[in-house]
Amino acid sequence: GQQLNQSPQSMFIQEGEDVSMNCTSSSIFNTWLWYKQDPGEGPVLLIALYKAGELTSNGRLTAQFGITRKDSFLNISASIPSDVGIYFCASYSGAGSYQLTFGKGTKLSVIP
Amino acid sequence: GAVVSQHPSRVICKSGTSVKIECRSLDFQATTMFWYRQFPKKSLMLMATSNEGSKATYEQGVEKDKFLINHASLTLSTLTVTSAHPEDSSFYICSALGGSGQPQHFGDGTRLSIL
Repeated sequence: GQQLNQSPQSMFIQEGEDVSMNCTSSSIFNTWLWYKQDPGEGPVLLIALYKAGELTSNGRLTAQFGITRKDSFLNISASIPSDVGIYFCASYSGAGSYQLTFGKGTKLSVIP
Repeated sequence: GAVVSQHPSRVICKSGTSVKIECRSLDFQATTMFWYRQFPKKSLMLMATSNEGSKATYEQGVEKDKFLINHASLTLSTLTVTSAHPEDSSFYICSALGGSGQPQHFGDGTRLSIL
């Protein structure tokens, strides 16, 4: 099946620093979704991207849909302690499918 | 925004017990809901797709007689773990699809512990 390669797997940053993580695939996708999961909770949708080249912001978060449609990145600016969590990229498993395929996640730790 | 409620949030029970988990879409109708299982430090693994008024579609390797899914209304899907054993202990998460082209919205998950 289609795989999403998410990196880095984990990262430790100082509060106030900017963060960047990305997802790549050998397959072309029509949608990229970025979710955040806090411990013991379900994922929460942060940003949805539907068009190649699209750049979308949600507060301090910015995500882009790669031109090749095979990648996406998520940036977090001026990180704060509550940014801690696991970030997942996701996309639909196939044309016309609403099933999601998830990346393996990026665990973010913010040092105050 | 779209809200999905999952209940219970945590359950501890003895081996051999059957456990039912509910997933409700609170402010929208969901013809399709999904059930995932997540192991510690791992990503979400799709177990099955639940369609209102029809049988669920299970992913390869998921026992449908073990994990019974019922989607009797447009706002409720249930997952019943039958005759649960310790290896069924996990974090189970549901999601609901708000409509064509809309992303999935997730519940808060159920931590199932089988003793």
